[in-house]
Amino acid sequence: AQSVTQPDIHITVSEGASLELRCNYSYGATPYLFWYVQSPGQGLQLLLKYFSGDTLVQGIKGFEAEFKRSQSSFNLRKPSVHWSDAAEYFCAVANTNAGKSTFGDGTTLTVKP
Amino acid sequence: GAVVSQHPSWVICKSGTSVKIECRSLDFQATTMFWYRQFPKQSLMLMATSNEGSKATYEQGVEKDKFLINHASLTLSTLTVTSAHPEDSSFYICSARVTGYNTEAFFGQGTRLTVV
Repeated sequence: AQSVTQPDIHITVSEGASLELRCNYSYGATPYLFWYVQSPGQGLQLLLKYFSGDTLVQGIKGFEAEFKRSQSSFNLRKPSVHWSDAAEYFCAVANTNAGKSTFGDGTTLTVKP
Repeated sequence: GAVVSQHPSWVICKSGTSVKIECRSLDFQATTMFWYRQFPKQSLMLMATSNEGSKATYEQGVEKDKFLINHASLTLSTLTVTSAHPEDSSFYICSARVTGYNTEAFFGQGTRLTVV
């Protein structure tokens, strides 16, 4: 069975500082991996995805993520955080055949001025 | 990217009544749609997978008689919460996907259901 672990429930960073959100997955084959952001009361917005190929993936809003098969990780990074990045971030792994996604528990990002 | 629309965005209903939520793929044909539920401050939990023209596959612990899913066309799936109770109050999100490799599922904006 596929699963996702986001070890950090809550992270606080100062505006302008760098950010890394951790994600570890469990899946039997090469996974489809995603990072989503969710603001309170809103739906999900896709930040980036990994299907195959280059293990460093660029996304929207200046985010990037690196797929590391040996570590079963797909950590999200941003070099300089903006106050508007404060939100809930979800990592997800999808079944490549059926397409259903399993989500991590999420990481709440707080940005200090 | 592809657009998935849910309707309504929010709904309030009385306990014991039923409420229907629609999920539409606006610019592509979705052979598979997924329904998720998200309680406050929690993650998304998959409820069921529906394939056009066939019965939905429910995840363990999800009552199929309470959460009726219909996927009658390639662009529309509906979730009906029957005999709703306050504990059914949640954020319901659908996603839609075209079958095949390297195809992602696109998410709707979600429906906030409040049962009073």
